[in-house]
Amino acid sequence: DAMVIQNPRYQVTQFGKPVTLSCSQTLNHNVMYWYQQKSSQAPKLLFHYYDKDFNNEADTPDNFQSRRPNTSFCFLDIRSPGLGDAAMYLCATSTGAGAYNEQFFGPGTRLTVL
Amino acid sequence: GQNIDQPTEMTATEGAIVQINCTYQTSGFNGLFWYQQHAGEAPTFLSYNVLDGLEEKGRFSSFLSRSKGYSYLLLKELQMKDSASYLCAVMDSNYQLIWGAGTKLIIKP
Repeated sequence: DAMVIQNPRYQVTQFGKPVTLSCSQTLNHNVMYWYQQKSSQAPKLLFHYYDKDFNNEADTPDNFQSRRPNTSFCFLDIRSPGLGDAAMYLCATSTGAGAYNEQFFGPGTRLTVL
Repeated sequence: GQNIDQPTEMTATEGAIVQINCTYQTSGFNGLFWYQQHAGEAPTFLSYNVLDGLEEKGRFSSFLSRSKGYSYLLLKELQMKDSASYLCAVMDSNYQLIWGAGTKLIIKP
């Protein structure tokens, strides 16, 4: 089945220790997104790629970076995680970036910062 | 600023009908999405409205009024598995999704 895969599902890191989250997709979608979602809050868009065109949201902290080496894979790097970065990180994809394009989500990676 | 408002929590009875409202103020409008999110899981797509009116899909229906900046999600014949958060999201003029915080729906037997 075509899908969005995120690894790992649960990630524990220590304060200040870099961590990388990964996402892959078999849907062959052009657009990939990274969201941060905290409990009972709306998902917050961190980055999105239209193909290899990188788009950084204005309020995404510098502590977060992203890479998309090819169509299928996307990575989220947190350079120095703080306690406030503990959250669910969701990867999503869509065919295009315009109207009518629903987003398909992976299962998420829950990040704990000790 | 851009804003999506929906109730924080609602409770309903198994077998009944519930309506979850969403009001929005955004820079432009390119459609409104409803997603379902079970606790600890990713959102899954339910519906998309871009024209005024009602879209029906099985037990779920979604309504849009662009002039009022208003939508609702109607769930019929509620089942226990419908207990989840329901997120309203609007695509603005830049094709960015503006998300609401979600409505947590609790279904009681």
